[in-house]
Amino acid sequence: DVKVTQSSRYLVKRTGEKVFLECVQDMDHENMFWYRQDPGLGLRLIYFSYDVKMKEKGDIPEGYSVSREKKERFSLILESASTNQTSMYLCASRVRTGGMRNQPQHFGDGTRLSIL
Amino acid sequence: AQKITQTQPGMFVQEKEAVTLDCTYDTSDPSYGLFWYKQPSSGEMIFLIYQGSYDQQNATEGRYSLNFQKARKSANLVISASQLGDSAMYFCAMRENSGGGADGLTFGKGTHLIIQP
Repeated sequence: DVKVTQSSRYLVKRTGEKVFLECVQDMDHENMFWYRQDPGLGLRLIYFSYDVKMKEKGDIPEGYSVSREKKERFSLILESASTNQTSMYLCASRVRTGGMRNQPQHFGDGTRLSIL
Repeated sequence: AQKITQTQPGMFVQEKEAVTLDCTYDTSDPSYGLFWYKQPSSGEMIFLIYQGSYDQQNATEGRYSLNFQKARKSANLVISASQLGDSAMYFCAMRENSGGGADGLTFGKGTHLIIQP
């Protein structure tokens, strides 16, 4: 089974802090994703990566950056945390699309981040 | 315009009844995939079922089936013989295949399903 591990289930930080959310997958997947989930809004894509050191903006990248130095690890960075970034953050991974279009994204358990 | 619309914010269903969760989508891409995920209160996202735009038959996975009506751009999830453990949030999502890069999913806002004994 695919395992996507997020470093923290719950995290509390202060406004203005630099925050790192870490995600590791063990299936050698090329593609990795960061989403945020808010009540009534569903999941929204922040950033994704299709290879080491490659990154692409999703639908809501403002206030975030990412890092992918190794294939198995994808980090989400809040450069200067603000209260409107209080949310649930979900990491996912997937094989490169190619001919495998029916393969789903596999998600971690999520990090509930509170910015005070 | 929303790409994925789930019109039912919440549903109450009696145990053992069949459930239909609605999902309509909007795309001009001829090649796309539709996914359904379940999210229990514990928070993990569980993949349920997939339907490709070129698939001739409706997808089925155990008690889950997908009522795919391409002309209507509809991909409703059907759960047969509902169980208490089916209580969760359910999300419909779409991937458009003509885009480049790593093809992120576009999610609907979800339906909160509660199964009553």
